[in-house]
Amino acid sequence: DAGITQSPRHKVTETGTPVTLRCHQTENHRYMYWYRQDPGHGLRLIHYSYGVKDTDKGEVSDGYSVSRSKTEDFLLTLESATSSQTSVYFCAISESLRENYGYTFGSGTRLTVV
Amino acid sequence: DAKTTQPNSMESNEEEPVHLPCNHSTISGTDYIHWYRQLPSQGPEYVIHGLTSNVNNRMASLAIAEDRKSSTLILHRATLRDAAVYYCILRDNNYGQNFVFGPGTRLSVLP
Repeated sequence: DAGITQSPRHKVTETGTPVTLRCHQTENHRYMYWYRQDPGHGLRLIHYSYGVKDTDKGEVSDGYSVSRSKTEDFLLTLESATSSQTSVYFCAISESLRENYGYTFGSGTRLTVV
Repeated sequence: DAKTTQPNSMESNEEEPVHLPCNHSTISGTDYIHWYRQLPSQGPEYVIHGLTSNVNNRMASLAIAEDRKSSTLILHRATLRDAAVYYCILRDNNYGQNFVFGPGTRLSVLP
């Protein structure tokens, strides 16, 4: 999607290795989010950010950490990847928490942990 | 957990209207109802949102029950490109007023 880029698009990694996924936006939006999507679960919120160095946990944050040192970048790190973290990861951005402001999602990163 | 419930799947014929239901019995007076959809191999995209009265845009209409405990997304004339998973969402106080998605409704459109 225009204004939000996820990298890499696909990654295969081994169990126990660290992995970092990047979300980059050019919209200067304050709010950024990481979701994971698994069959039968819809999208589940991992972590979110309200601004630079301001992050909080979502509903499935165990095993994940995030960092936001610049407005445009929100990094998701799996410190020691496990097979249960095989998933499709989506980043989203939002200008505001007010109801008339929605989310714009990236195209996703497909991560496979073998 | 999501604050909404939707049927797992629905089927429609091409060029016919589609009514996708959503129940949100615990909705508060200030909660807006948001709808997103996810096409195959893509991230979710915004469809429509509303508070009380019915809403229309170029993609769809949103009909909200008078007691606001349910709503219906209406696609007036389904096309094959409308085949997607449709999510009905309320903001969640447990996660900073952010969106928490449920499994959604998978809409199949038959030619």
